[in-house]
Amino acid sequence: KAGVTQTPRYLIKTRGQQVTLSCSPISGHRSVSWYQQTPGQGLQFLFEYFSETQRNKGNFPGRFSGRQFSNSRSEMNVSTLELGDSALYLCASSLTGGVDEQFFGPGTRLTVL
Amino acid sequence: DQQVKQNSPSLSVQEGRISILNCDYTNSMFDYFLWYKKYPAEGPTFLISISSIKDKNEDGRFTVFLNKSAKHLSLHIVPSQPGDSAVYFCAAIMNYGQNFVFGPGTRLSVLP
Repeated sequence: KAGVTQTPRYLIKTRGQQVTLSCSPISGHRSVSWYQQTPGQGLQFLFEYFSETQRNKGNFPGRFSGRQFSNSRSEMNVSTLELGDSALYLCASSLTGGVDEQFFGPGTRLTVL
Repeated sequence: DQQVKQNSPSLSVQEGRISILNCDYTNSMFDYFLWYKKYPAEGPTFLISISSIKDKNEDGRFTVFLNKSAKHLSLHIVPSQPGDSAVYFCAAIMNYGQNFVFGPGTRLSVLP
């Protein structure tokens, strides 16, 4: 069974630009969560999607948004990039969310210059 | 304000000895806790979890202990192996929901 895949793996953008990251969950998984990892803050929860609906949201500004498609693939968008958005963005999928085991993708390393 | 804390950024242990990683939380509403291991350039992988109704859960070399009154949990790895060298994250969930709150991580180095 293929694992969680994220594209692209690396991305370099400049301040003010916007970026879209993609996540393909494990087949059959309907819950997709997004996390931001930075050296200073560790792993922080961004949001979770289930059946194309945002079910839970972390404490991030509105510049961070996402969506989920009918095939459970998810995208995350960050608009008006700031230097502080440089981070590793991780996607995790699980069958239905909650305490179901989450499987993480390798992440997208975003650098904002 | 961090709700889940891992106060040791790093830990070094000799191969074969016990590794003890600690995690403290502030919110008594957390009712499920998990440990993840992360290697460089890879996403975290689930290790072991514990419900707040238990005080211990064991899986092979990994045991997690929960002390609810102290709002403290720990992960014991016995015996430690060089392949255990990674960053370990403690995570907590509230109301068995989907919002995982992660600690900042502890980098474990197991020395041969």
